[in-house]
Amino acid sequence: KAGVTQTPRYLIKTRGQQVTLSCSPISGHRSVSWYQQTPGQGLQFLFEYFSETQRNKGNFPGRFSGRQFSNSRSEMNVSTLELGDSALYLCASSTLPGQGDYEQYFGPGTRLTVT
Amino acid sequence: GENVEQHPSTLSVQEGDSAVIKCTYSDSASNYFPWYKQELGKGPQLIIDIRSNVGEKKDQRIAVTLNKTAKHFSLHITETQPEDSAVYFCAAGGGTSYGKLTFGQGTILTVHP
Repeated sequence: KAGVTQTPRYLIKTRGQQVTLSCSPISGHRSVSWYQQTPGQGLQFLFEYFSETQRNKGNFPGRFSGRQFSNSRSEMNVSTLELGDSALYLCASSTLPGQGDYEQYFGPGTRLTVT
Repeated sequence: GENVEQHPSTLSVQEGDSAVIKCTYSDSASNYFPWYKQELGKGPQLIIDIRSNVGEKKDQRIAVTLNKTAKHFSLHITETQPEDSAVYFCAAGGGTSYGKLTFGQGTILTVHP
């Protein structure tokens, strides 16, 4: 079974630009969560999608948004990039929380550098 | 919201020794506690997890224990090997937070040959 895939793996953007990151979950997984990882703040939850609906949102500004498609693939968008948005953005896929076999698996991440 | 504290932040052991990493959580509604290993340049890899209806779980050299009353859980690695060197994260989730995991700050484990 293929794992979680994320594209692109590396990205360099300029302040003020916007960026879109993509995530394909493990086949059969319908839930996708996004996390931001930085040396200072660690791993922080951005949002979670299930069946194309955002079910949970972390404490990030409205510049961070996401969506999920009918095939469970997900994208996240960051508008008006700031230097502090430089981070590793991780996507995780899982089955439905509450199920006995629930587990969350991470992709390799997209390394975003804002200059 | 949930808050997860992880200790120690760094851990250095000799090959063959045991390593123990401890985490505490604050939200009694959390019912899912995974542990991840992250190597340089890679995403976190799920190595073991435990649910709130279980007190201990083992998988070869790795074990996790959970004390719901005290709200803490621990990762135990026996017979450590140099390839165990990585950053380890604990997390808590489930309950009313759906798929949101709250992570500890991580432990850098170094196993010296």
